[in-house]
Amino acid sequence: GAGVSQSPSNKVTEKGKDVELRCDPISGHTALYWYRQSLGQGLEFLIYFQGNSAPDKSGLPSDRFSAERTGGSVSTLTIQRTQQEDSAVYLCASSSRRRSRNLSSTDTQYFGPGTRLTVL
Amino acid sequence: TQLLEQSPQFLSIQEGENLTVYCNSSSVFSSLQWYRQEPGEGPVLLVTVVTGGEVKKLKRLTFQFGDARKDSSLHITAAQPGDTGLYLCAGVILSGSNYKLTFGKGTLLTVNP
Repeated sequence: GAGVSQSPSNKVTEKGKDVELRCDPISGHTALYWYRQSLGQGLEFLIYFQGNSAPDKSGLPSDRFSAERTGGSVSTLTIQRTQQEDSAVYLCASSSRRRSRNLSSTDTQYFGPGTRLTVL
Repeated sequence: TQLLEQSPQFLSIQEGENLTVYCNSSSVFSSLQWYRQEPGEGPVLLVTVVTGGEVKKLKRLTFQFGDARKDSSLHITAAQPGDTGLYLCAGVILSGSNYKLTFGKGTLLTVNP
């Protein structure tokens, strides 16, 4: 079946402009995650959606970053007034995980190919 | 503060050599995952280790979870050029019913033919 897809694959923008990044998760997956991967910094958690619950926004670096997930499927990450330090690869992942308090439960996140954002 | 420290950051070896990558933390994790990422692609899960002291083998790859569930290692035997890639460890953090991964910075492995 189809994996996680992201668009665009590359985005070049000018400082101060707004950008929208799209993620199409695997059909039926209830959980969706956004990460940022910068050179030398590894993957940084941004935001997590789980079903119809309120998202976990604890990783968003500033109020210029926001994300939404419509209809429990497609998600859009928006960065307003982009800065050069926002340049990175933005990765989306989805999983079939459901909310559980089972501390021994594990989960497989399936990642998309990412969107490479360059802010000039 | 980086919760997970990976070492080495870069590793370049010849085909046929053995290598070990380390992932260390002062935090205890519910479980720990290892991913491999190739250029232009997202990370792909290789293995999840859950129990302290657990050892898992995936062909020439051996993964070990420390007894205290704070550290892990990945050992590759007789490395091949196809093993080239960025290896990432990720600790699983369960907070209430939320599930999050915290990643190390990765080890970039190059296996030369």
